[in-house]
Amino acid sequence: AQKITQTQPGMFVQEKEAVTLDCTYDTSDQSYGLFWYKQPSSGEMIFLIYQGSYDEQNATEGRYSLNFQKARKSANLVISASQLGDSAMYFCAMREGGSFQKLVFGTGTRLLVSP
Amino acid sequence: SAVISQKPSRDICQRGTSLTIQCQVDSQVTMMFWYRQQPGQSLTLIATANQGSEATYESGFVIDKFPISRPNLTFSTLTVSNMSPEDSSIYLCSAGKFGLAGGQEQYFGPGTRLTVT
Repeated sequence: AQKITQTQPGMFVQEKEAVTLDCTYDTSDQSYGLFWYKQPSSGEMIFLIYQGSYDEQNATEGRYSLNFQKARKSANLVISASQLGDSAMYFCAMREGGSFQKLVFGTGTRLLVSP
Repeated sequence: SAVISQKPSRDICQRGTSLTIQCQVDSQVTMMFWYRQQPGQSLTLIATANQGSEATYESGFVIDKFPISRPNLTFSTLTVSNMSPEDSSIYLCSAGKFGLAGGQEQYFGPGTRLTVT
């Protein structure tokens, strides 16, 4: 079974609008972490935001926020006030276990921001 | 945040040859990892680079094909051996440490774009 599922292969949003990128996960661990990364066409992986399974509040980093719904096992990324530079691939990833473990990645969502 | 550099940034290699990719982190990190991203695909972990001992490989990856070294806490190398066109991918180094707020941070290098002809 897929550990991380991103059901949206592509998303379109107009500049200045908000957009939600979906991510659901599957784990039996109580302790885990969820990450979102942005990959522009240059290929680098840019860390955006992290949510720990025990964090009671949703993580926020500037225009990025993570809508963490633990019971539904979802960790959607919300980008507010989209900018043209937000056009990129976005990957959701999960780390299982309480210590440093590998990340398992979803298949990604390509976001295109139009003027 | 940790700054991670990789060399080379890209290379075009002939089949049957080997390429060694270097990864340097600007601060001591707990863990270092090597990932592969085949064209149009997501990232797949090759191995965890362990300082001073043999790397831990994921299923489908073997040491003879992808030998890894990590002589200290800030440096690691990945060699892609006896290359074939199927090895054409982006290879990314990743490093992780605990953030100041107690959360985990895991960063990636800029990647090495490898094309095998």
